[in-house]
Formats: sequence, C-alpha cells, structure tokens
Amino acid sequence: GENVEQHPSTLSVQEGDSAVIKCTYSDSASNYFPWYKQELGKRPQLIIDIRSNVGEKKDQRIAVTLNKTAKHFSLHITETQPEDSAVYFCAGDSGANSKLTFGKGITLSVRP
Amino acid sequence: NAGVTQTPKFQVLKTGQSMTLQCAQDMNHEYMSWYRQDPGMGLRLIHYSVGAGITDQGEVPNGYNVSRSTTEDFPLRLLSAAPSQTSVYFCASSYSVLGLAGAYEQYFGPGTRLTVT
Repeated sequence: GENVEQHPSTLSVQEGDSAVIKCTYSDSASNYFPWYKQELGKRPQLIIDIRSNVGEKKDQRIAVTLNKTAKHFSLHITETQPEDSAVYFCAGDSGANSKLTFGKGITLSVRP
Repeated sequence: NAGVTQTPKFQVLKTGQSMTLQCAQDMNHEYMSWYRQDPGMGLRLIHYSVGAGITDQGEVPNGYNVSRSTTEDFPLRLLSAAPSQTSVYFCASSYSVLGLAGAYEQYFGPGTRLTVT
C-alpha cells in the first residue's frame, strides 16, 4: 500500500515569509495528491490538490508542485499570515478504490 | 445542505461497552469513510464504503464494524471499547466517478471525541 511521509513535523516562520512543506510517497501508481488544513479543534478541509498529469497548481497564495520521478510533492505558501497557523496534512491515493493515505501532519506556526 | 454530520460530539465509555458513532451526509456522495486521529499519527482509515451495501477495511479496522444500508448513512460500531480506541473520529464523504472513489475532495464531519476509561 501507499506510504506518505511529511517532513519536518513542525515549521515556524515569520509573518510575510514563505513556507514550504514537503511530502514523499511510495506508490508509483498514485494519481491524486491533496493537501488538507486543520485548525485547532476543527475538521480537516481541502486547500489544494494536484493530479499526476500536472506538475504545478496555484491558488492565490498557495501552490503545490509534484515531482513524479522523485515521488514527492510540496505545498508552498507565500506571504504567510497568522491565520495560516494550523496542521497541514498531505495525502496520496492508492489501491483499487483510490483510498487516501495521509501523512502524519505538520504544525505550521506563523509568528506575527 | 448540512454536509456531513456526526453524533455525538463527545462520548465517554467504560472498557467493554459498545456504542455506535453516527454519520450522515446529504450530498448524495457514494464514497464514505471513517478515520481516527491520534496525536502525531495523522488520519488513519478505519473502514470505507464505495456505495450502499459495499464496505471494506482500511488501515486500522480491528475492533470496529460498519454497515451501509443507505447512501446517506454510514455508522461506525465499536464492539467492545478499549482504552486504545480513545481518539477523535472523523467521518468523510466524497464524490466518485467510475470507481475512482477516493480520488476527489473528501468532506469531513465535525468529529466525535471518544474517551474510553
């Protein structure tokens, strides 16, 4: 099955700086890679996703890049704001029913 | 639309008790799943369903049962609660196309915080 790993486990940046969170995956057949944001005490919510036929996708201050050869994908947040502070989960799909396997999550702290 | 709803929000059980966590969605999604979230462990898939009458195991299915009699509802049953099942449980639903059930945005419910003593 799929194994998704996130590094680092915590990240602290100054407000206004950029943050990059990287994930690696093991299943070369994976096609779908979403990123979820979870604020404290809330449910996870999708912020951006990418499919294997695309190398990069942007949505305002966030972007995701995918390197299929190296089997890693990264979340880029520019001009970070305190409200970006949250836990971010990456995931990859695998198997006959495209089950999602999530990474363990990264806690992003944006210092004002 | 209410989206994905879960009840109860909080529950305390004694070891050996059984209970059912309820999950319902009103988006007509075929795909539904249950995850548990533990500190430092991310979201781990317990069971999932690709449609009414069809369920399958995820990564951590032991100690849990599910059924899917309707498109809307996907209850999770704890057979005999153990302290190791203390966790936050999330139900999620997703649109699906031609069997690629998991490969679309998953909408999560608000979660159930379960404590087993």
